[in-house]
Amino acid sequence: DGGITQSPKYLFRKEGQNVTLSCEQNLNHDAMYWYRQDPGQGLRLIYYSQIVNDFQKGDIAEGYSVSREKKESFPLTVTSAQKNPTAFYLCASSTTENTEAFFGQGTRLTVV
Amino acid sequence: GQQVMQIPQYQHVQEGEDFTTYCNSSTTLSNIQWYKQRPGGHPVFLIQLVKSGEVKKQKRLTFQFGEAKKNSSLHITATQTTDVGTYFCAQGGTSGTYKYIFGTGTRLKVLA
Repeated sequence: DGGITQSPKYLFRKEGQNVTLSCEQNLNHDAMYWYRQDPGQGLRLIYYSQIVNDFQKGDIAEGYSVSREKKESFPLTVTSAQKNPTAFYLCASSTTENTEAFFGQGTRLTVV
Repeated sequence: GQQVMQIPQYQHVQEGEDFTTYCNSSTTLSNIQWYKQRPGGHPVFLIQLVKSGEVKKQKRLTFQFGEAKKNSSLHITATQTTDVGTYFCAQGGTSGTYKYIFGTGTRLKVLA
């Protein structure tokens, strides 16, 4: 079954700890994205990658880091520098910029 | 960063009533996509519009792209409780930049 998988679905962390969110796709898509969604809010772009070993900052990249060592994987690290990390994180992928984006189920991160 | 505005932010309708959400950009859009996110879920692609003045229909949903390619609308005829969710418009990337910019979203509640 082709798709995009995020894990875990729910994640709890203590303040000051770094945490890494997983995103894997088997759709053979070149592009992958990370979005943040706050309650009742839209989607804000954190980072995106168009090709392996290359990625670009989105609108709210501060306090986050990513890597793209494999086409299938685009993990997101929420660092302790992120002031307000509690949010719903969505990973997406697409073939090109003019095709639909496929989203994972999301990871709900709570920092206490 | 660049933003695509949507109005209204919230809409409550009685089941059977019509619903429309509008998407506006200050710049010309190369294309516009529409997504639906059910409560607690992830965005799911509905449709893409590319041509100026384009109109597409999916059963009770009608999508329109403005003549100037700066606005778009989604109209639902005779809403049903299954239409509940948040509707997002998104601009796909341009000039080889794989960067989807999502609108602020319209949250629809349908009262039975």
